[in-house]
Amino acid sequence: DGGITQSPKYLFRKEGQNVTLSCEQNLNHDAMYWYRQDPGQGLRLIYYSQIVNDFQKGDIAEGYSVSREKKESFPLTVTSAQKNPTAFYLCASASVEGWATEAFFGQGTRLTVV
Amino acid sequence: SQQGEEDPQALSIQEGENATMNCSYKTSINNLQWYRQNSGRGLVHLILIRSNEREKHSGRLRVTLDTSKKSSSLLITASRAADTASYFCATDDGDYKLSFGAGTTVTVRA
Repeated sequence: DGGITQSPKYLFRKEGQNVTLSCEQNLNHDAMYWYRQDPGQGLRLIYYSQIVNDFQKGDIAEGYSVSREKKESFPLTVTSAQKNPTAFYLCASASVEGWATEAFFGQGTRLTVV
Repeated sequence: SQQGEEDPQALSIQEGENATMNCSYKTSINNLQWYRQNSGRGLVHLILIRSNEREKHSGRLRVTLDTSKKSSSLLITASRAADTASYFCATDDGDYKLSFGAGTTVTVRA
């Protein structure tokens, strides 16, 4: 089945630790995105990538890092510099063919700082 | 700040009624999209309207776009309990940056 997979579904982090959230897609999409969602709120863009080996900061990139070494994978690292990392993280991918960017989302990773 | 802002924040309607929500955005766009999110899940794409289109239909969904007012509306007709979800508008600036609003939470009462 084609789709986008995030893992793990739940993640617990101790303060001061870095953690990496996985996002893999087999849709052959060029563009990939990471969003953060806080309770009862909308999605805020952390990073996005249009193509392998290239990515851009979104609106709230501080305290996060990404890599895009493979088309299928776009892992997000939440570093210790992110002071309030507890949130729901969503990964998405989209085709860049044509000029419409319909995004397909994973089921999310819920990160909690303990 | 976010590109899109939905209004109202929350909406409660009776099954069978129509639900209307609005989205306003700030900068020029390539297209505008609407997504649905069920509680604790990922988002699902509903409909896309391009900047040169004014209205689009898909099943019970009707979307309008007014680029002069930088606003869009989503109408769900004959609502069902399964329509209970949060709805988000998203703007594509043409450079693949996809920005979402804060969402409208819709509750459909049986």
